[in-house]
Amino acid sequence: QVNLVQSGAEVKKPGASVKVSCKASGYNFNDNYIHWVRQAPGQGLEWMGWINGKSGATQYAEKFQYRATLTRDASVRTAYMELSPLIYDDTAVYYCARMDSNWAVEYLQYWGQGTLVTVSS
Amino acid sequence: DIQMTQSPSSLSASVGDRVTITCRASQTISYFLNWYQQKPGKAPRLLISGASSLQSGVPSRFSGSASGTDFTLSISSLQPEDFATYYCQQSSSSPWTFGQGTRVDIK
Repeated sequence: QVNLVQSGAEVKKPGASVKVSCKASGYNFNDNYIHWVRQAPGQGLEWMGWINGKSGATQYAEKFQYRATLTRDASVRTAYMELSPLIYDDTAVYYCARMDSNWAVEYLQYWGQGTLVTVSS
Repeated sequence: DIQMTQSPSSLSASVGDRVTITCRASQTISYFLNWYQQKPGKAPRLLISGASSLQSGVPSRFSGSASGTDFTLSISSLQPEDFATYYCQQSSSSPWTFGQGTRVDIK
């Protein structure tokens, strides 16, 4: 079965960087895009961007265009989200999710368990 | 960016009640609308894609519909496990955007 396993919680200082991993299993990694979504404490879901598992092409929400970097290593079936420099408002749970589609509709069917990133001095 | 506005932001209901959540898009998104359920401390779960297509394993008491830029998630008979927060999300154009969420709790 499809499984996305993310790296563990992180505590970082403002101005530092964080890199969250998302290891996929149960499907051909090259066949799907991986999206990243974050959720600040007590808040809603915020879409960050996606990476094409096969080509490595990326697209970002404008808000994250210059601070987030999405990469992947298909040889180890893992996607990464790096955010730098961190600010206090980046404290959130970060999710990776696999994009699927049906009749041209795209959606996020499989999700990682989430990684809490805390930015604190 | 396409804005997604959900209403209400929260509601209280009893087991067995019929519940309706509305999501309005700021522009036409056709049927590129998905619904997710999220419970505290858990990742979101996809319920409905394409405005009305129920995902495998999701109980049939959940349904979705669309009328223009207005979308509705209905739960025909609320069950204890349905108390959660629900989000709509559009995938018509980038950036993908979510509604602010509707929290459903016990009356």
